[in-house]
Amino acid sequence: DTAVSQTPKYLVTQMGNDKSIKCEQNLGHDTMYWYKQDSKKFLKIMFSYNNKELIINETVPNRFSPKSPDKAHLNLHINSLELGDSAVYFCASSQEEGQGENSGNTIYFGEGSWLTVV
Amino acid sequence: AQKVTQAQTEISVVEKEDVTLDCVYETRDTTYYLFWYKQPPSGELVFLIRRNSFDEQNEISGRYSWNFQKSTSSFNFTITASQVVDSAVYFCALSEAQGSGAGSYQLTFGKGTKLSVIP
Repeated sequence: DTAVSQTPKYLVTQMGNDKSIKCEQNLGHDTMYWYKQDSKKFLKIMFSYNNKELIINETVPNRFSPKSPDKAHLNLHINSLELGDSAVYFCASSQEEGQGENSGNTIYFGEGSWLTVV
Repeated sequence: AQKVTQAQTEISVVEKEDVTLDCVYETRDTTYYLFWYKQPPSGELVFLIRRNSFDEQNEISGRYSWNFQKSTSSFNFTITASQVVDSAVYFCALSEAQGSGAGSYQLTFGKGTKLSVIP
């Protein structure tokens, strides 16, 4: 029943490893995102995809590579993990709603994936 | 450039007290959206409300109410008769379209206000 689900929820790994976080949404939304929350709880966008097409890439290192096999999935692969990559990664999705003054774009988040690099 | 400021880093209240969380935003766009999200200790981000820039009506949902004032660029959140379950970090966020087309919206978050409700 979970609208935006991501796995794994917790991930502990060593520096230099490669890891992936998977995300799926069953809301029928066209747009998906990855956000990063650092140790100070600051949230910042990393990527957005619309219908499998990359729309936003916020100066994220090349070690981070999102992949969207279809519009319901947006996976995040991270190569050569570094200590500074430790964070909570949130997947999210949204859909344009309404028109004109009634338009909007509500972003719904998954439960987060806690990545710890040791 | 867009910016969201939540000046209150932490607030503690005793249960049943009312509490207001402040949010001030900056944007050059005339069309934008304002949000509040709740992050309880379990860590998920829960959507609470979205307000379009065209709609300055205040909103009430149960014990929650929101006051949107474009004149002061503020979107404050009040919890009436607070409960222990309200303890969480609350984020205010602003969305503008970065370009045209779907997928170009992104949320700019404030740094969050940690609310502790003491029984």
